[in-house]
Amino acid sequence: DQQVKQNSPSLSVQEGRISILNCDYTNSMFDYFLWYKKYPAEGPTFLISISSIKDKNEDGRFTVFLNKSAKHLSLHIVPSQPGDSAVYFCAASATNAGKSTFGDGTTLTVKP
Amino acid sequence: DTEVTQTPKHLVMGMTNKKSLKCEQHMGHRAMYWYKQKAKKPPELMFVYSYEKLSINESVPSRFSPECPNSSLLNLHLHALQPEDSALYLCASSQEWGSNEKLFFGSGTQLSVL
Repeated sequence: DQQVKQNSPSLSVQEGRISILNCDYTNSMFDYFLWYKKYPAEGPTFLISISSIKDKNEDGRFTVFLNKSAKHLSLHIVPSQPGDSAVYFCAASATNAGKSTFGDGTTLTVKP
Repeated sequence: DTEVTQTPKHLVMGMTNKKSLKCEQHMGHRAMYWYKQKAKKPPELMFVYSYEKLSINESVPSRFSPECPNSSLLNLHLHALQPEDSALYLCASSQEWGSNEKLFFGSGTQLSVL
């Protein structure tokens, strides 16, 4: 049973436009969510996070939205840049679980 | 220094070999992790060390043996691996062990078992 799902394996957008990456979860105990970005031949790097007490968190071009009732979160990148082309992983954790559960990842391609 | 350094970057080993993966961080982080990642799949947690003590073992086969000699170093000893163990092995660290901690990952060791 996959508790964190990223249903779009890939996404292609034009430079300057908005990229929206989606993530769904099934475990209602999850209360903290993170996004990581991964370039080829590198480990994932932390991008942005959100606690379940919030519904939005913004950091520069990156905004994460959380809809607890729908068990859905999304990452918005505006404006998208070619350097944003990478695999994006959504991760979720529950208080005191001590570990994050990752989604399968979405490969974002931003075309110049 | 915000790096997690893993060596070697690539490793090819036979099923009877013994090898070790090494991981080092100098950020003063007290939690260190081993993850396994297969192609097109998410990272899967294997082990967590907190303050140099093993805190989580995700039912990993005994042919994988972790070791945390000190707060900066994490090793993964490999023995009698199977071809299906071929994967990218990622080390990560976080300031403390907890659910709301962001992870700092190394670049990984790409392991091939022949």
